[in-house]
Amino acid sequence: QSALTQPPSASGSPGQSVTISCTGTSSDVGGYNYVSWYQQHPGKAPKLMIYEVSKRPSGVPDRFSGSKSGNTASLTVSGLQAEDEADYYCYSYAGSNNLFGGGTKLTVL
Amino acid sequence: EVQLVESGGGLVQPGGSLRLSCAASGFTFSTYWMHWVRQAPGKGLVWVSRINSDRSSTDYADSVKGRFTISRDNAKNTLYLQMNSLRAEDTAVYYCARAGLPASNDYWGQGTLVTVSS
Repeated sequence: QSALTQPPSASGSPGQSVTISCTGTSSDVGGYNYVSWYQQHPGKAPKLMIYEVSKRPSGVPDRFSGSKSGNTASLTVSGLQAEDEADYYCYSYAGSNNLFGGGTKLTVL
Repeated sequence: EVQLVESGGGLVQPGGSLRLSCAASGFTFSTYWMHWVRQAPGKGLVWVSRINSDRSSTDYADSVKGRFTISRDNAKNTLYLQMNSLRAEDTAVYYCARAGLPASNDYWGQGTLVTVSS
Protein backbone atom coordinates (compact mmCIF):
# COMPACT_ATOMS: atom_id res chain seq x y z
CA GLN A 1 0.00 0.00 0.00
CA SER A 2 2.42 2.68 -1.17
CA ALA A 3 1.19 6.24 -1.48
CA LEU A 4 0.59 7.64 -4.92
CA THR A 5 3.39 9.89 -6.18
CA GLN A 6 2.82 13.64 -6.49
CA PRO A 7 5.32 16.47 -6.88
CA PRO A 8 5.79 18.19 -3.52
CA SER A 9 5.26 21.64 -4.97
CA ALA A 10 3.87 23.53 -7.94
CA SER A 11 3.45 27.20 -8.67
CA GLY A 12 2.05 29.68 -11.13
CA SER A 13 1.14 33.32 -11.50
CA PRO A 14 -2.43 34.58 -11.38
CA GLY A 15 -4.24 33.78 -14.61
CA GLN A 16 -1.83 31.02 -15.58
CA SER A 17 -2.51 27.27 -15.68
CA VAL A 18 -0.83 24.65 -13.53
CA THR A 19 -0.97 20.86 -13.81
CA ILE A 20 -0.31 18.49 -10.92
CA SER A 21 0.46 14.86 -11.63
CA CYS A 22 -0.36 11.76 -9.63
CA THR A 23 1.39 8.51 -10.49
CA GLY A 24 0.30 5.11 -9.29
CA THR A 25 0.22 1.61 -10.68
CA SER A 26 -2.06 -0.63 -12.69
CA SER A 27 -3.52 -1.78 -9.34
CA ASP A 28 -4.85 1.63 -8.46
CA VAL A 29 -4.79 4.70 -10.74
CA GLY A 30 -4.38 2.68 -13.91
CA GLY A 31 -6.83 0.00 -12.98
CA TYR A 32 -9.93 2.04 -12.24
CA ASN A 33 -11.54 5.31 -13.30
CA TYR A 34 -11.87 6.19 -9.62
CA VAL A 35 -9.37 8.97 -9.10
CA SER A 36 -10.44 12.00 -7.13
CA TRP A 37 -8.71 15.22 -6.09
CA TYR A 38 -8.98 17.20 -2.87
CA GLN A 39 -8.05 20.75 -1.95
CA GLN A 40 -7.01 21.52 1.60
CA HIS A 41 -6.36 24.94 3.06
CA PRO A 42 -4.33 25.19 6.29
CA GLY A 43 -6.30 24.06 9.31
CA LYS A 44 -9.30 23.06 7.24
CA ALA A 45 -10.87 19.78 6.20
CA PRO A 46 -10.24 18.57 2.66
CA LYS A 47 -12.68 19.56 -0.08
CA LEU A 48 -13.56 17.34 -3.02
CA MET A 49 -12.67 19.02 -6.33
CA ILE A 50 -12.73 16.19 -8.90
CA TYR A 51 -14.15 12.67 -8.82
CA GLU A 52 -14.15 9.76 -11.28
CA VAL A 53 -11.04 11.22 -12.94
CA SER A 54 -12.68 14.23 -14.56
CA LYS A 55 -16.08 15.01 -13.02
CA ARG A 56 -16.68 18.15 -10.96
CA PRO A 57 -19.01 18.18 -7.97
CA SER A 58 -21.62 20.88 -7.89
CA GLY A 59 -20.12 24.23 -6.94
CA VAL A 60 -16.54 23.54 -8.04
CA PRO A 61 -15.41 26.07 -10.65
CA ASP A 62 -14.78 24.77 -14.15
CA ARG A 63 -11.25 26.12 -13.85
CA PHE A 64 -10.51 22.78 -12.23
CA SER A 65 -10.24 19.79 -14.54
CA GLY A 66 -8.93 16.25 -14.31
CA SER A 67 -7.63 13.63 -16.68
CA LYS A 68 -5.82 10.30 -16.72
CA SER A 69 -3.42 8.47 -18.98
CA GLY A 70 -2.29 5.01 -18.02
CA ASN A 71 -1.09 5.00 -14.42
CA THR A 72 -0.90 8.79 -14.14
CA ALA A 73 -3.74 11.15 -13.32
CA SER A 74 -3.55 14.92 -13.56
CA LEU A 75 -5.29 17.93 -12.07
CA THR A 76 -5.19 21.17 -14.05
CA VAL A 77 -6.07 24.51 -12.51
CA SER A 78 -6.64 27.16 -15.16
CA GLY A 79 -6.89 30.89 -14.62
CA LEU A 80 -5.09 30.66 -11.28
CA GLN A 81 -6.51 32.76 -8.49
CA ALA A 82 -5.06 33.64 -5.12
CA GLU A 83 -7.58 31.44 -3.31
CA ASP A 84 -6.34 28.39 -5.22
CA GLU A 85 -3.19 28.41 -3.08
CA ALA A 86 -3.55 25.24 -1.03
CA ASP A 87 -2.45 21.63 -0.73
CA TYR A 88 -3.86 19.22 -3.30
CA TYR A 89 -4.15 15.47 -2.87
CA CYS A 90 -5.04 12.77 -5.36
CA TYR A 91 -6.90 9.69 -4.17
CA SER A 92 -7.54 6.38 -5.87
CA TYR A 93 -9.63 3.33 -5.28
CA ALA A 94 -7.38 0.27 -5.20
CA GLY A 95 -9.66 -2.68 -4.63
CA SER A 96 -9.30 -3.69 -1.00
CA ASN A 97 -8.10 -0.25 0.03
CA ASN A 98 -7.84 3.39 -1.01
CA LEU A 99 -4.69 5.44 -1.48
CA PHE A 100 -3.80 9.12 -1.23
CA GLY A 101 -0.95 10.85 -2.92
CA GLY A 102 1.65 12.58 -0.80
CA GLY A 103 0.19 15.99 -1.60
CA THR A 104 1.29 18.97 -3.66
CA LYS A 105 1.57 22.48 -2.27
CA LEU A 106 0.32 24.90 -4.90
CA THR A 107 1.69 28.41 -4.60
CA VAL A 108 0.16 31.34 -6.48
CA LEU A 109 3.05 33.72 -7.12
CA GLU B 1 -27.38 20.32 5.53
CA VAL B 2 -24.94 17.44 5.71
CA GLN B 3 -22.91 17.48 8.92
CA LEU B 4 -20.25 15.15 10.27
CA VAL B 5 -18.97 15.80 13.78
CA GLU B 6 -16.09 13.78 15.19
CA SER B 7 -15.38 13.38 18.88
CA GLY B 8 -13.37 11.20 21.24
CA GLY B 9 -9.88 12.39 20.47
CA GLY B 10 -7.35 13.22 23.14
CA LEU B 11 -4.06 12.28 24.76
CA VAL B 12 -3.38 8.59 25.29
CA GLN B 13 -0.28 6.65 26.31
CA PRO B 14 1.44 4.23 23.92
CA GLY B 15 -0.31 0.89 24.05
CA GLY B 16 -3.57 2.49 25.08
CA SER B 17 -6.97 2.56 23.46
CA LEU B 18 -9.38 5.21 22.26
CA ARG B 19 -12.73 5.17 20.52
CA LEU B 20 -13.60 7.89 18.05
CA SER B 21 -17.17 8.74 17.09
CA CYS B 22 -18.58 10.57 14.09
CA ALA B 23 -22.15 11.83 14.40
CA ALA B 24 -23.86 12.25 11.05
CA SER B 25 -26.88 14.38 10.22
CA GLY B 26 -28.62 15.90 7.22
CA PHE B 27 -28.61 12.77 5.09
CA THR B 28 -29.71 9.12 5.15
CA PHE B 29 -26.66 7.76 6.94
CA SER B 30 -27.61 4.13 6.49
CA THR B 31 -27.27 4.28 2.71
CA TYR B 32 -23.68 5.55 2.47
CA TRP B 33 -20.25 3.99 2.78
CA MET B 34 -18.14 5.85 5.33
CA HIS B 35 -14.38 6.33 5.72
CA TRP B 36 -11.80 7.37 8.28
CA VAL B 37 -8.81 9.37 7.07
CA ARG B 38 -5.96 10.71 9.21
CA GLN B 39 -3.36 13.42 8.94
CA ALA B 40 -0.28 13.55 11.13
CA PRO B 41 0.86 17.06 12.11
CA GLY B 42 2.38 18.76 9.09
CA LYS B 43 1.96 15.67 6.93
CA GLY B 44 -0.37 14.44 4.19
CA LEU B 45 -3.69 12.65 4.20
CA VAL B 46 -3.68 8.90 4.78
CA TRP B 47 -6.64 6.62 4.26
CA VAL B 48 -7.35 4.49 7.35
CA SER B 49 -10.51 2.45 6.92
CA ARG B 50 -13.91 2.15 5.26
CA ILE B 51 -17.20 0.43 5.98
CA ASN B 52 -20.11 -0.25 3.69
CA SER B 53 -23.65 0.87 4.34
CA ASP B 54 -24.94 -2.31 6.01
CA ARG B 55 -21.75 -3.09 7.97
CA SER B 56 -21.10 -6.29 6.02
CA SER B 57 -17.78 -5.14 4.58
CA THR B 58 -14.82 -3.37 6.18
CA ASP B 59 -11.30 -2.64 4.94
CA TYR B 60 -8.18 -1.24 6.59
CA ALA B 61 -4.83 0.23 5.73
CA ASP B 62 -2.00 -2.20 6.47
CA SER B 63 -0.64 0.20 9.10
CA VAL B 64 -3.73 -0.21 11.32
CA LYS B 65 -4.94 -3.70 10.42
CA GLY B 66 -5.44 -5.82 13.52
CA ARG B 67 -5.36 -2.79 15.83
CA PHE B 68 -8.22 -0.60 14.62
CA THR B 69 -11.86 -1.57 14.11
CA ILE B 70 -14.37 0.47 12.16
CA SER B 71 -18.06 0.09 12.94
CA ARG B 72 -21.34 1.95 12.63
CA ASP B 73 -24.73 2.20 14.27
CA ASN B 74 -27.22 3.14 11.59
CA ALA B 75 -29.97 3.61 14.17
CA LYS B 76 -27.84 6.26 15.90
CA ASN B 77 -26.40 7.74 12.67
CA THR B 78 -22.92 7.28 14.11
CA LEU B 79 -19.63 5.96 12.78
CA TYR B 80 -16.93 4.64 15.11
CA LEU B 81 -13.25 3.86 15.09
CA GLN B 82 -11.95 1.70 17.93
CA MET B 83 -8.20 2.15 18.19
CA ASN B 84 -6.16 -0.29 20.27
CA SER B 85 -2.43 -0.78 20.83
CA LEU B 86 -1.83 2.83 19.91
CA ARG B 87 1.63 3.94 18.82
CA ALA B 88 3.29 7.32 18.59
CA GLU B 89 2.94 7.18 14.82
CA ASP B 90 -0.86 7.07 15.17
CA THR B 91 -0.76 10.68 16.35
CA ALA B 92 -2.91 12.60 13.87
CA VAL B 93 -6.10 14.46 13.20
CA TYR B 94 -8.71 11.86 12.35
CA TYR B 95 -11.43 12.79 9.87
CA CYS B 96 -14.59 10.90 9.06
CA ALA B 97 -15.87 11.28 5.52
CA ARG B 98 -18.93 10.30 3.54
CA ALA B 99 -18.47 8.40 0.30
CA GLY B 100 -21.24 10.25 -1.47
CA LEU B 101 -19.88 10.02 -4.99
CA PRO B 102 -18.27 6.99 -6.65
CA ALA B 103 -15.05 6.13 -4.81
CA SER B 104 -14.71 9.65 -3.43
CA ASN B 105 -15.53 11.51 -0.24
CA ASP B 106 -17.87 14.45 -0.71
CA TYR B 107 -18.36 15.54 2.90
CA TRP B 108 -15.83 15.63 5.72
CA GLY B 109 -15.96 16.34 9.42
CA GLN B 110 -13.75 18.94 11.08
CA GLY B 111 -11.47 16.27 12.54
CA THR B 112 -10.48 15.19 16.03
CA LEU B 113 -6.89 15.16 17.28
CA VAL B 114 -5.41 11.99 18.72
CA THR B 115 -2.06 12.34 20.46
CA VAL B 116 -0.19 9.21 21.52
CA SER B 117 2.53 10.10 23.98
CA SER B 118 3.85 9.19 27.39
